[in-house]
Amino acid sequence: NAGVTQTPKFRILKIGQSMTLQCTQDMNHNYMYWYRQDPGMGLKLIYYSVGAGITDKGEVPNGYNVSRSTTEDFPLRLELAAPSQTSVYFCASRNQGASGNEQFFGPGTRLTVL
Amino acid sequence: DAKTTQPTSMDCAEGRAANLPCNHSTISGNEYVYWYRQIHSQGPQYIIHGLKNNETNEMASLIITEDRKSSTLILPHATLRDTAVYYCIVSEKAAGNKLTFGGGTRVLVKP
Repeated sequence: NAGVTQTPKFRILKIGQSMTLQCTQDMNHNYMYWYRQDPGMGLKLIYYSVGAGITDKGEVPNGYNVSRSTTEDFPLRLELAAPSQTSVYFCASRNQGASGNEQFFGPGTRLTVL
Repeated sequence: DAKTTQPTSMDCAEGRAANLPCNHSTISGNEYVYWYRQIHSQGPQYIIHGLKNNETNEMASLIITEDRKSSTLILPHATLRDTAVYYCIVSEKAAGNKLTFGGGTRVLVKP
């Protein structure tokens, strides 16, 4: 299993541009999450999904959109990039049947908005 | 979710046990204690979790006090590769429940 994969690894955007951060997991996990991590800080939840077709807002959803058309994929969309969205973005997934809230994280996408 | 308090940083000698404390005095009865770590520039990695009993796995041991207001993560034989930020998180097991990451403890394992 590849686990949770994210693309791209790095990206530089200009203010106002749009992009989609890709996240795929091959563990057949129902739950998927998007977090952002600003320098020196802990992770903050942006959006999460408990299954295909179901998404919900986390702590910091403004400026982002998500979709979950399949179990495997959970893309994160930035429509009008702003410097405040410069961050490292982590995708995670979790098995519905797990004994607890053990989440598996991807390697991250480092985004800079200039 | 209940809030947690951890020391900002700590050093540990290679080969010795590392004991990482965490206070969670407002934990509720259905909340678990989770530990994750984040090695520089990587995604967080799950370590261990528990409800009220002590737990052990191949990575670490988790000791939870009887009143559940605090816990300690023990890395039995720290190696240089254990240098990371360690996060103590309190969360319900419920479906879709999020993890709230605080500042964590920055652990430096020294040779």
